[in-house]
Amino acid sequence: DQQVKQNSPSLSVQEGRISILNCDYTNSMFDYFLWYKKYPAEGPTFLISISSIKDKNEDGRFTVFLNKSAKHLSLHIVPSQPGDSAVYFCAAFFQGAQKLVFGQGTRLTINP
Amino acid sequence: DAGITQSPRHKVTETGTPVTLRCHQTENHRYMYWYRQDPGHGLRLIHYSYGVKDTDKGEVSDGYSVSRSKTEDFLLTLESATSSQTSVYFCAIRVAGGSYNEQFFGPGTRLTVL
Repeated sequence: DQQVKQNSPSLSVQEGRISILNCDYTNSMFDYFLWYKKYPAEGPTFLISISSIKDKNEDGRFTVFLNKSAKHLSLHIVPSQPGDSAVYFCAAFFQGAQKLVFGQGTRLTINP
Repeated sequence: DAGITQSPRHKVTETGTPVTLRCHQTENHRYMYWYRQDPGHGLRLIHYSYGVKDTDKGEVSDGYSVSRSKTEDFLLTLESATSSQTSVYFCAIRVAGGSYNEQFFGPGTRLTVL
């Protein structure tokens, strides 16, 4: 039972354009969502998060959008840079569970 | 990097042998987690700990045990390794306060079971 799904295993984007990574979830109890970025041979690093009481959160080039009715969140990266090439994981959390549930990951490649 | 180290960083072992992976943190965080990362599956929780001697199972706990006798160390043991346990293992800690639900990850241990 995959509660958090990233249906695109990979995405290729031209440098300078917008990258949009998508994530769907099934459990309506989730009240906090996070995106992590992972480079090869390193641990994942936290990128940006959003509470379920909001529908948008921005941090520099990164914006996360949450659509609770559709149980969908997305990460926008504008403009995309070569250093953004990595695997991106979305994750979800609900109070009382004390643990994150991760999606399968999307490999983003930024082409020069 | 939240002061998390993992050892060993790489290990090759044979089916049926016991293996212990160590996660060490230097900042006395209460919550510690063990995940495995596999292609197509993302990060899956194996076990986690919410204090010394307090642990609970995650979604893929079969074949694994954990121990936490000190705040700073969280050990993951494969009692009898199988080829299906070939994976990259990540330890994480949860930092209270701020973005409360963030977890910070160690550098990972690549385990190969032949």
